[in-house]
Amino acid sequence: GDSVTQMEGPVTLSEEAFLTINCTYTATGYPSLFWYVQYPGEGLQLLLKATKADDKGSNKGFEATYRKETTSFHLEKGSVQVSDSAVYFCAINSGGSNYKLTFGKGTLLTVNP
Amino acid sequence: EAGVVQSPRYKIIEKKQPVAFWCNPISGHNTLYWYLQNLGQGPELLIRYENEEAVDDSQLPKDRFSAERLKGVDSTLKIQPAELGDSAVYLCASSEGDRGPYEQYFGPGTRLTVT
Repeated sequence: GDSVTQMEGPVTLSEEAFLTINCTYTATGYPSLFWYVQYPGEGLQLLLKATKADDKGSNKGFEATYRKETTSFHLEKGSVQVSDSAVYFCAINSGGSNYKLTFGKGTLLTVNP
Repeated sequence: EAGVVQSPRYKIIEKKQPVAFWCNPISGHNTLYWYLQNLGQGPELLIRYENEEAVDDSQLPKDRFSAERLKGVDSTLKIQPAELGDSAVYLCASSEGDRGPYEQYFGPGTRLTVT
């Protein structure tokens, strides 16, 4: 079945540092890829997505590129802010007859001033 | 536009008691999902509805869990009887449909503690 392996946290960075959170997946078919973010006390929000190979999703300064050859979708941000502190989830949706999202375990990011 | 609404936000019950969670999806969203999120884990799908039909309930523990979406709008997830291992966050999500990579919009969740 589908699975997502995400970099384990927690990750602690200083403000303006560079962020990378690794994500790799295994899937049948041709999945769509997502990053969701969960701020403290809130529900999951879609951060960005990519639906085909070499697509780059971007939002709020975050980027991730769909790499089919390495089955990866790493999240990056050039300069993090304190407000980026949250839990980040990588997810895939492999379509076909099963449209459920399969999530990674999540990575807790804390950004210190 | 209102987001996905869930209630209650928190629930504490003793084991063997019943509990129910309610979800109201975004207006016009035909597809509704219930997810279970254990501490330190990503959400896992329990059941997916297309309108009032449960089209994927393969992960729902049917011996104690049940769900309904009678009029194809709001939904209720029930556990009876609850066990200690059911302590988790129960998330509801909705989307416009289940074809293509439609964005799923999540509610804030109900945090269940079983003592």
